[in-house]
Amino acid sequence: ILNVEQSPQSLHVQEGDSTNFTCSFPSSNFYALHWYRWETAKSPEALFVMTLNGDEKKKGRISATLNTKEGYSYLYIKGSQPEDSATYLCAFRSNDYKLSFGAGTTVTVRA
Amino acid sequence: GAVVSQHPSWVICKSGTSVKIECRSLDFQATTMFWYRQFPKQSLMLMATSNEGSKATYEQGVEKDKFLINHASLTLSTLTVTSAHPEDSSFYICSARGDRDGYTFGSGTRLTVV
Repeated sequence: ILNVEQSPQSLHVQEGDSTNFTCSFPSSNFYALHWYRWETAKSPEALFVMTLNGDEKKKGRISATLNTKEGYSYLYIKGSQPEDSATYLCAFRSNDYKLSFGAGTTVTVRA
Repeated sequence: GAVVSQHPSWVICKSGTSVKIECRSLDFQATTMFWYRQFPKQSLMLMATSNEGSKATYEQGVEKDKFLINHASLTLSTLTVTSAHPEDSSFYICSARGDRDGYTFGSGTRLTVV
């Protein structure tokens, strides 16, 4: 079992504020790091697939960075909106196509 | 985009009975299907991997006779929890991988065994 950790477990953000949270993963046998957004009763939605050290990806107000040498990734939400409320999952992928997930960071945006 | 339909979304069954969960890829061919289980406040844990037409590969500690996986076609995979017991109560979710190297998830099934 690969150790993928996300912190914090949950956070509350005021609407309009920016926030970020962390995913740490093994630095060996790295193939890709996936980020998902998961709303209750829905399917996890793919946000980013990151493969290269130093990668930085952006989708609207959400962006992510990747450091494979030290084994961490940050997800940033700029100007949080109520619709950003969800659980954000990261998953480490090694070269056997299996994903190892963190427990998620649950974001609640207060209006 | 790619969609995976998972049914049922929730099920309550009596101890000792079997429950079947289906995952269908609606607009792509799922060459590989992954089945996960999640206990409260924990991460998604991979149970097994199945390729179309092949026997599933189970992760360590997962009983293959209790969790039967069938992946007979490129669009359908099923997970059957046999002789379910209260400790099998959990959230089960599938993920399909097709040719485009993406992973598409179902919406999950909440199983409660009473």
